[in-house]
Amino acid sequence: QSALTQPASVSGSPGQSITISCTGTSSDVGAHNYVSWYQQFPGKAPTLMIYDVTNRPSGVSNRFSASKSGNTASLTISGLQTEDEADYYCCSKTSSSTYVFGSGTKVTVL
Amino acid sequence: QVQLVESGGDSVMPGGSLRLSCAASGFRFSDYYMSWIRQAPGKGLEWVSSISPTSTYTNYADTVKGRFTISRDNAKNSLYLQMNILRAEDTAVYYCARGGHSHFDNWGQGTLVTVSS
Repeated sequence: QSALTQPASVSGSPGQSITISCTGTSSDVGAHNYVSWYQQFPGKAPTLMIYDVTNRPSGVSNRFSASKSGNTASLTISGLQTEDEADYYCCSKTSSSTYVFGSGTKVTVL
Repeated sequence: QVQLVESGGDSVMPGGSLRLSCAASGFRFSDYYMSWIRQAPGKGLEWVSSISPTSTYTNYADTVKGRFTISRDNAKNSLYLQMNILRAEDTAVYYCARGGHSHFDNWGQGTLVTVSS
């Protein structure tokens, strides 16, 4: 199972909006509404930001939103803040009930 | 609050074995899927294995199938990963995570496994 495709890096200025794409196949992203997104700071464990394509866990800022169309999922960060600078990973359940993560995207706040 | 604490990481030679443990607290452990996810140094996340609440269902990544075994002891609120025939490419931080039905909502701090001669 190959990793889902994410851009290696995305950058934006404070206050701007950025979008991270996550492209898979009909066997993973396109097969389920079980796409999730994780934020990871250097040396730290990942934290859940979005689950089941569009849902935010309690405590996650509403500046984070997500969607899916076909085999591509997307995470949007609105009103970008310096504290958002981190690595972001998408993840999808597959048609075999396994999981595949994205390759990861480093978000830089200019 | 949910707490997951991994242990058992160590340096081991290729072909060796290791058993990781994850102690869970702050939630009803027996109600949840649990999973192991790893991250090689400087690399991305890789799902390793998941187990259902009563151990009825287990699933593995192709890269570890036949070598790793996930298990749990609900009476001890503990999750395990038995790793055999370890390879250099198994070197990673191994995270214990709550979930495995659709997402992973809580993660431990990780334990480092190094496979090297």
